[in-house]
Amino acid sequence: QKEVEQNSGPLSVPEGAIASLNCTYSDRGSQSFFWYRQYSGKSPELIMSIYSNGDKEDGRFTAQLNKASQYVSLLIRDSQPSDSATYLCAVIGKLTFGQGTILTVHP
Amino acid sequence: EPEVTQTPSHQVTQMGQEVILRCVPISNHLYFYWYRQILGQKVEFLVSFYNNEISEKSEIFDDQFSVERPDGSNFTLKIRSTKLEDSAMYFCASRRGDRVGQPQHFGDGTRLSIL
Repeated sequence: QKEVEQNSGPLSVPEGAIASLNCTYSDRGSQSFFWYRQYSGKSPELIMSIYSNGDKEDGRFTAQLNKASQYVSLLIRDSQPSDSATYLCAVIGKLTFGQGTILTVHP
Repeated sequence: EPEVTQTPSHQVTQMGQEVILRCVPISNHLYFYWYRQILGQKVEFLVSFYNNEISEKSEIFDDQFSVERPDGSNFTLKIRSTKLEDSAMYFCASRRGDRVGQPQHFGDGTRLSIL
């Protein structure tokens, strides 16, 4: 089983829609979870961190964590073309990344 | 806003040569990392460094690789006797502490091309 696994992509949503990105992890002892965004040829850019069960909102982004189900997700509301990128789910401590989900927001 | 800086942005080297990739972490950060991303593949952990020693390393980080913090600001990755398959983007990251929720901040990366 992969340590961090993301839902298969690519994901395509129309502008203004909600994009839902999902991630599961295998280490039940994991404590911190991060969503990074990576544009092609660029470095990962932190979007959100979450470490408590429940939802965490920051602008158009909402991260959700369910430790019992070992599941973390990212919702992007009012998706914009500029949100088109690869989204990486990552789990601390050596920061294990999922394979990424390519999101395309089309006008 | 403070950021992690990496140099050079692109390094082209002949196979078998040694390369040194340089990173300047954020000044008050204590934990340092190197990652690799082969074109089209996921970001892979190489090594973490704290208190002037390696704290964790992956299977990728074999004897060909070494890291060093030669002074108070630089953090380097040395690759000896480079191979074609070492061609990748190498990212440095730093983290202020190890408290739950503290993120790693990434530099822009060095693209390493082995010919």
